[in-house]
Amino acid sequence: AQSVTQLGSHVSVSEGALVLLRCNYSSSVPPYLFWYVQYPNQGLQLLLKYTSAATLVKGINGFEAEFKKSETSFHLTKPSAHMSDAAEYFCAVSESGGQNFVFGPGTRLSVLP
Amino acid sequence: GAVVSQHPSRVICKSGTSVKIECRSLDFQATTMFWYRQFPKQSLMLMATSNEGSKATYEQGVEKDKFLINHASLTLSTLTVTSAHPEDSSFYICSARDRLAVQETQYFGPGTRLLVL
Repeated sequence: AQSVTQLGSHVSVSEGALVLLRCNYSSSVPPYLFWYVQYPNQGLQLLLKYTSAATLVKGINGFEAEFKKSETSFHLTKPSAHMSDAAEYFCAVSESGGQNFVFGPGTRLSVLP
Repeated sequence: GAVVSQHPSRVICKSGTSVKIECRSLDFQATTMFWYRQFPKQSLMLMATSNEGSKATYEQGVEKDKFLINHASLTLSTLTVTSAHPEDSSFYICSARDRLAVQETQYFGPGTRLLVL
């Protein structure tokens, strides 16, 4: 069975600081991994996805994530936080690429001026 | 990129009434759509998988007679919350899978906020 954990339900960073949001997964088969962002009262927007190609995945808005099989991790990073990055971030895993998504509990990112 | 719309975006209804939520894939065909429910400050929970032309598959604990799903075409799935009660108030999000996409992924709608009084 698949599962996703996100360490830290709430992360605060200063504007311009490094953003690191953690995601660990468990999967019985090579997984597809996703990061989504959700702004208040809105749906989900895909930031990036890992589909067994390059382990370092670059996404939109300057975000990137690195797939580390040995650590079963897919942490999301951004070198310099912007106020507009404040949102809820969800990591998700899928064993079949397009269905049976399992979402992590989410991490709320706050960016302080 | 692929676009999924939901209508309405917000709905308020009285307890005991039924509410229909539409999910449309605007620029692609979706043989499979998914319905999620999200309570405040919580993650998304899959309710059901909707397959075009066949019955939906419901997750454990989701009442199929309460949450009626119809996927009548390759671009439209509807979720009807029957005899809604205040505990059904939630954020409902649909997603759709592009059947022609080489690398499958789900495209999410903007969500529908339901408030049952």
